Amino acid sequence: GAVVSQHPSRVICKSGTSVKIECRSLDFQATTMFWYRQFPKQSLMLMATSNEGSKATYEQGVEKDKFLINHASLTLSTLTVTSAHPEDSSFYICSARVLAADLYNEQFFGPGTRLTVL
Amino acid sequence: QKEVEQDPGPLSVPEGAIVSLNCTYSNSAFQYFMWYRQYSRKGPELLMYTYSSGNKEDGRFTAQVDKSSKYISLFIRDSQPSDSATYLCAMKDTDKLIFGTGTRLQVFP
Repeated sequence: GAVVSQHPSRVICKSGTSVKIECRSLDFQATTMFWYRQFPKQSLMLMATSNEGSKATYEQGVEKDKFLINHASLTLSTLTVTSAHPEDSSFYICSARVLAADLYNEQFFGPGTRLTVL
Repeated sequence: QKEVEQDPGPLSVPEGAIVSLNCTYSNSAFQYFMWYRQYSRKGPELLMYTYSSGNKEDGRFTAQVDKSSKYISLFIRDSQPSDSATYLCAMKDTDKLIFGTGTRLQVFP
């Protein structure tokens, strides 16, 4: 089956530092990757959509200069949280989509990265 | 009003019970309806998806969509302790998935 990995699974950092999270599709090529954020007991909220080789599209209210997304290859996307603050502490989840003939276009989710900013 | 409403629970049932999980939504443009299962501190995994209205069955799981009422359901028969997780409904019209808050289910032996 389609497997998506994330690294690291957990990170604790000091306020003001930058954190990079990697999302990889292990056994398929993903033309599109998505980044979500999930606060405790809340739903997954889409932050941005990333297509390989082009700039990411950010959702309303998400600061593009704070959450830098790079999608340099068909198997790797990175999210960098710049100058992280305690309010950025959350569970960050990526997903990757296989472009298939089926209009459904299923997204496969990574295991998530828990970010704690002290 | 949120686009997708889901009771967060928790829902606690004995092993073997039939579980009913539900979501309501407001956007009539949604065409695809999904149910995901998420274990604690893990990413969601797709359980089932349905296109438009109707029923779909897969083993112990049955998904129902009633577009006229903007209401979707997931039924779990013969529930097992291993079914204990958070169940999220999700739906989309074109590209984006819109998730419910998730219902936490606990099945006790």
